[in-house]
Amino acid sequence: DVKVTQSSRYLVKRTGEKVFLECVQDMDHENMFWYRQDPGLGLRLIYFSYDVKMKEKGDIPEGYSVSREKKERFSLILESASTNQTSMYLCASREDRAHEQYFGPGTRLTVT
Amino acid sequence: AQSVSQHNHHVILSEAASLELGCNYSYGGTVNLFWYVQYPGQHLQLLLKYFSGDPLVKGIKGFEAEFIKSKFSFNLRKPSVQWSDTAEYFCAVNARAAGNKLTFGGGTRVLVKP
Repeated sequence: DVKVTQSSRYLVKRTGEKVFLECVQDMDHENMFWYRQDPGLGLRLIYFSYDVKMKEKGDIPEGYSVSREKKERFSLILESASTNQTSMYLCASREDRAHEQYFGPGTRLTVT
Repeated sequence: AQSVSQHNHHVILSEAASLELGCNYSYGGTVNLFWYVQYPGQHLQLLLKYFSGDPLVKGIKGFEAEFIKSKFSFNLRKPSVQWSDTAEYFCAVNARAAGNKLTFGGGTRVLVKP
């Protein structure tokens, strides 16, 4: 069974803190994605990676960075968290020759 | 750039009523189309998808969607909803020229009253 896991379901951080969100997939997928989900805006792509150490900016990369040192793990980093980064963060993965993305359970981040 | 719009943000209906959720996209080239569903407290999961062929596609749990190329639409339907269909539904589009990128609509929250 396909599995994408995220390190935390809920996270509360203070403004200015450095925040790491971790995502792990066990399907040997080449592609991994980070989205944020906000009411009325759907899911917006922050960054994606199509291979180890490779990354591409999505639609809203400002204030974020990513790291992919191993194929199964894709990290999202908020260098200096701000209140407008309070959101639900979703990780997904996809096999190269397929179109379906598989999603993790999400991390609800609150920045105070 | 591709964009996706969903007509309704919230829909409330009773069990056994019919459901239709609108989705329109703005991209003139070849597209792959998806509907995802997020049940309360659960992962986002694929409901159905269209790549090519028959424009009427059937998905899980009795859902279907029709691709109308001339209208740039991919509306989701279910003839008779159940309380368990309460969820948020997202339309998504992947323009093949855009490679990996999937663009989502804003989502529609559906509440089915028992």
